[in-house]
Amino acid sequence: AQSVAQPEDQVNVAEGNPLTVKCTYSVSGNPYLFWYVQYPNRGLQFLLKYITGDNLVKGSYGFEAEFNKSQTSFHLKKPSALVSDSALYFCAVRDISNTGNQFYFGTGTSLTVIP
Amino acid sequence: DTGVSQDPRHKITKRGQNVTFRCDPISEHNRLYWYRQTLGQGPEFLTYFQNEAQLEKSRLLSDRFSAERPKGSFSTLEIQRTEQGDSAMYLCASSFELTSGPYEQYFGPGTRLTVT
Repeated sequence: AQSVAQPEDQVNVAEGNPLTVKCTYSVSGNPYLFWYVQYPNRGLQFLLKYITGDNLVKGSYGFEAEFNKSQTSFHLKKPSALVSDSALYFCAVRDISNTGNQFYFGTGTSLTVIP
Repeated sequence: DTGVSQDPRHKITKRGQNVTFRCDPISEHNRLYWYRQTLGQGPEFLTYFQNEAQLEKSRLLSDRFSAERPKGSFSTLEIQRTEQGDSAMYLCASSFELTSGPYEQYFGPGTRLTVT
Protein backbone atom coordinates (compact mmCIF):
# COMPACT_ATOMS: atom_id res chain seq x y z
CA ALA A 1 0.00 0.00 0.00
CA GLN A 2 1.13 3.52 -0.74
CA SER A 3 1.54 5.97 2.11
CA VAL A 4 3.31 9.12 3.18
CA ALA A 5 4.52 10.02 6.65
CA GLN A 6 5.33 13.47 7.91
CA PRO A 7 6.74 12.72 11.35
CA GLU A 8 6.59 16.28 12.66
CA ASP A 9 3.25 17.99 13.18
CA GLN A 10 4.98 21.28 13.96
CA VAL A 11 8.34 22.77 13.03
CA ASN A 12 9.58 26.06 14.44
CA VAL A 13 12.59 27.85 13.02
CA ALA A 14 14.08 31.29 13.46
CA GLU A 15 13.98 33.67 10.53
CA GLY A 16 17.16 33.43 8.50
CA ASN A 17 17.95 29.90 9.67
CA PRO A 18 17.77 26.87 7.38
CA LEU A 19 14.58 24.84 7.54
CA THR A 20 13.80 21.19 6.92
CA VAL A 21 10.38 19.58 6.73
CA LYS A 22 10.57 15.80 6.72
CA CYS A 23 8.73 13.31 4.55
CA THR A 24 9.08 9.57 4.14
CA TYR A 25 7.08 7.44 1.77
CA SER A 26 6.12 3.87 1.07
CA VAL A 27 5.26 2.61 -2.39
CA SER A 28 5.51 -0.74 -4.08
CA GLY A 29 7.31 0.65 -7.12
CA ASN A 30 9.05 3.86 -8.04
CA PRO A 31 7.55 7.04 -6.66
CA TYR A 32 6.51 10.37 -8.00
CA LEU A 33 6.89 12.83 -5.11
CA PHE A 34 5.41 16.28 -4.57
CA TRP A 35 5.40 19.08 -2.02
CA TYR A 36 2.49 21.45 -1.60
CA VAL A 37 1.98 24.44 0.71
CA GLN A 38 -1.32 25.59 2.16
CA TYR A 39 -1.84 29.09 3.51
CA PRO A 40 -4.89 29.88 5.69
CA ASN A 41 -8.11 30.06 3.68
CA ARG A 42 -6.20 29.24 0.48
CA GLY A 43 -5.97 26.15 -1.67
CA LEU A 44 -2.91 23.97 -1.82
CA GLN A 45 -0.14 25.41 -3.95
CA PHE A 46 2.41 23.29 -5.79
CA LEU A 47 6.03 23.79 -4.69
CA LEU A 48 8.08 21.12 -6.44
CA LYS A 49 8.14 17.54 -7.66
CA TYR A 50 10.50 14.65 -8.21
CA ILE A 51 9.84 12.44 -11.19
CA THR A 52 13.22 11.14 -12.23
CA GLY A 53 16.79 12.31 -12.68
CA ASP A 54 18.69 14.55 -10.29
CA ASN A 55 17.91 13.73 -6.70
CA LEU A 56 17.93 17.41 -5.73
CA VAL A 57 14.98 19.29 -7.13
CA LYS A 58 14.41 23.01 -6.90
CA GLY A 59 11.03 24.63 -6.70
CA SER A 60 9.13 27.78 -6.01
CA TYR A 61 10.03 30.44 -3.42
CA GLY A 62 13.57 29.12 -2.93
CA PHE A 63 12.51 25.68 -1.72
CA GLU A 64 14.29 22.50 -2.68
CA ALA A 65 13.92 18.84 -1.82
CA GLU A 66 16.22 15.86 -1.89
CA PHE A 67 15.05 12.44 -3.00
CA ASN A 68 16.78 9.63 -1.11
CA LYS A 69 15.75 6.24 -2.43
CA SER A 70 17.61 4.19 0.18
CA GLN A 71 15.95 6.08 3.02
CA THR A 72 12.64 6.48 1.14
CA SER A 73 12.67 10.14 2.03
CA PHE A 74 11.90 13.41 0.29
CA HIS A 75 12.68 16.17 2.76
CA LEU A 76 11.83 19.77 1.95
CA LYS A 77 14.53 22.34 2.60
CA LYS A 78 15.24 26.04 2.36
CA PRO A 79 18.59 27.66 3.18
CA SER A 80 17.15 30.77 4.84
CA ALA A 81 13.63 30.84 6.26
CA LEU A 82 11.30 33.81 5.90
CA VAL A 83 8.40 34.72 8.18
CA SER A 84 6.20 34.47 5.08
CA ASP A 85 7.11 30.77 4.78
CA SER A 86 4.91 30.08 7.81
CA ALA A 87 2.21 27.74 6.50
CA LEU A 88 1.07 24.13 6.36
CA TYR A 89 3.19 21.84 4.16
CA PHE A 90 2.04 18.58 2.61
CA CYS A 91 4.09 15.84 1.01
CA ALA A 92 2.37 13.62 -1.57
CA VAL A 93 3.34 10.45 -3.43
CA ARG A 94 2.09 8.55 -6.41
CA ASP A 95 3.33 5.10 -7.35
CA ILE A 96 4.25 5.05 -11.04
CA SER A 97 4.00 1.28 -11.20
CA ASN A 98 0.52 1.34 -9.82
CA THR A 99 -2.21 1.28 -12.41
CA GLY A 100 -4.18 3.68 -10.28
CA ASN A 101 -3.72 7.39 -10.31
CA GLN A 102 -4.24 8.28 -6.70
CA PHE A 103 -2.05 10.74 -4.93
CA TYR A 104 -1.46 9.98 -1.26
CA PHE A 105 -0.90 12.95 1.02
CA GLY A 106 0.75 13.14 4.39
CA THR A 107 -0.97 14.67 7.39
CA GLY A 108 0.89 17.93 7.01
CA THR A 109 3.54 19.83 8.93
CA SER A 110 2.83 23.27 10.31
CA LEU A 111 5.88 25.49 9.84
CA THR A 112 6.28 28.59 11.99
CA VAL A 113 9.12 30.97 11.24
CA ILE A 114 9.87 33.12 14.25
CA PRO A 115 10.97 36.70 13.58
CA ASP B 1 -7.83 34.51 -13.08
CA THR B 2 -7.69 31.13 -14.78
CA GLY B 3 -7.20 28.98 -11.68
CA VAL B 4 -9.45 26.27 -10.31
CA SER B 5 -12.66 27.66 -8.83
CA GLN B 6 -15.16 26.04 -6.52
CA ASP B 7 -18.66 27.02 -5.56
CA PRO B 8 -19.92 27.53 -2.95
CA ARG B 9 -17.03 28.30 -0.64
CA HIS B 10 -19.10 27.46 2.42
CA LYS B 11 -22.19 25.33 2.89
CA ILE B 12 -24.14 24.71 6.06
CA THR B 13 -26.83 22.07 5.84
CA LYS B 14 -28.96 19.99 8.12
CA ARG B 15 -28.43 16.30 8.49
CA GLY B 16 -30.35 14.36 5.89
CA GLN B 17 -30.30 17.09 3.24
CA ASN B 18 -28.62 16.75 -0.13
CA VAL B 19 -25.85 19.10 -1.20
CA THR B 20 -24.07 19.69 -4.49
CA PHE B 21 -20.72 21.34 -5.07
CA ARG B 22 -19.29 22.61 -8.32
CA CYS B 23 -15.72 22.72 -9.55
CA ASP B 24 -14.44 24.58 -12.61
CA PRO B 25 -10.95 23.36 -13.51
CA ILE B 26 -8.29 25.12 -15.49
CA SER B 27 -9.70 25.05 -19.00
CA GLU B 28 -7.08 22.97 -20.80
CA HIS B 29 -6.75 20.38 -18.03
CA ASN B 30 -7.98 16.91 -18.86
CA ARG B 31 -7.90 15.49 -15.34
CA LEU B 32 -10.07 16.52 -12.42
CA TYR B 33 -9.81 15.21 -8.89
CA TRP B 34 -12.00 15.46 -5.81
CA TYR B 35 -10.52 15.23 -2.32
CA ARG B 36 -11.85 15.54 1.21
CA GLN B 37 -9.79 17.17 3.94
CA THR B 38 -10.58 17.16 7.64
CA LEU B 39 -8.82 19.09 10.35
CA GLY B 40 -5.34 17.83 11.00
CA GLN B 41 -5.32 15.57 7.98
CA GLY B 42 -4.03 15.74 4.47
CA PRO B 43 -6.32 15.62 1.45
CA GLU B 44 -7.95 12.23 1.04
CA PHE B 45 -8.63 11.06 -2.50
CA LEU B 46 -12.29 10.58 -3.43
CA THR B 47 -12.44 10.22 -7.20
CA TYR B 48 -10.98 11.46 -10.47
CA PHE B 49 -12.00 12.05 -14.06
CA GLN B 50 -10.08 11.83 -17.29
CA ASN B 51 -12.07 14.17 -19.51
CA GLU B 52 -15.70 13.10 -18.90
CA ALA B 53 -14.90 9.56 -17.77
CA GLN B 54 -14.81 8.76 -14.07
CA LEU B 55 -11.88 6.38 -13.94
CA GLU B 56 -11.30 5.76 -10.28
CA LYS B 57 -13.23 6.00 -7.02
CA SER B 58 -11.93 5.56 -3.53
CA ARG B 59 -13.21 2.54 -1.67
CA LEU B 60 -13.97 4.97 1.10
CA LEU B 61 -16.49 6.77 -1.09
CA SER B 62 -19.95 6.03 0.22
CA ASP B 63 -22.86 5.28 -2.11
CA ARG B 64 -24.27 8.60 -0.96
CA PHE B 65 -21.55 10.39 -2.92
CA SER B 66 -21.74 10.84 -6.66
CA ALA B 67 -19.68 12.92 -9.04
CA GLU B 68 -20.10 13.91 -12.65
CA ARG B 69 -18.15 15.74 -15.31
CA PRO B 70 -20.68 15.77 -18.13
CA LYS B 71 -18.76 17.52 -20.87
CA GLY B 72 -15.27 17.08 -19.63
CA SER B 73 -15.24 20.59 -18.26
CA PHE B 74 -16.78 21.46 -14.89
CA SER B 75 -17.62 18.79 -12.34
CA THR B 76 -20.20 18.39 -9.61
CA LEU B 77 -20.00 16.41 -6.40
CA GLU B 78 -23.29 15.51 -4.76
CA ILE B 79 -23.75 14.15 -1.27
CA GLN B 80 -27.15 12.67 -0.53
CA ARG B 81 -28.64 12.32 2.95
CA THR B 82 -25.77 14.17 4.57
CA GLU B 83 -24.41 12.99 7.89
CA GLN B 84 -22.42 14.91 10.48
CA GLY B 85 -19.37 12.87 9.55
CA ASP B 86 -19.50 14.44 6.10
CA SER B 87 -18.45 17.78 7.57
CA ALA B 88 -15.11 18.56 5.94
CA MET B 89 -13.38 20.67 3.33
CA TYR B 90 -13.99 19.33 -0.17
CA LEU B 91 -11.15 20.11 -2.54
CA CYS B 92 -11.07 19.99 -6.30
CA ALA B 93 -7.87 19.80 -8.29
CA SER B 94 -7.06 19.61 -11.97
CA SER B 95 -4.05 18.69 -14.06
CA PHE B 96 -3.03 18.16 -17.63
CA GLU B 97 -1.56 14.74 -18.01
CA LEU B 98 -0.15 12.86 -20.94
CA THR B 99 1.44 9.44 -20.90
CA SER B 100 4.69 11.17 -20.05
CA GLY B 101 3.19 12.53 -16.83
CA PRO B 102 2.34 13.01 -14.10
CA TYR B 103 2.01 16.71 -13.86
CA GLU B 104 1.30 18.60 -10.70
CA GLN B 105 -2.25 19.23 -9.61
CA TYR B 106 -3.67 22.69 -9.19
CA PHE B 107 -6.10 22.99 -6.32
CA GLY B 108 -9.16 25.14 -5.86
CA PRO B 109 -9.87 26.98 -2.60
CA GLY B 110 -12.27 24.27 -1.42
CA THR B 111 -15.85 24.09 -0.23
CA ARG B 112 -16.27 23.86 3.51
CA LEU B 113 -19.28 21.74 4.42
CA THR B 114 -20.81 21.85 7.86
CA VAL B 115 -23.58 19.39 8.63
CA THR B 116 -25.66 20.29 11.69
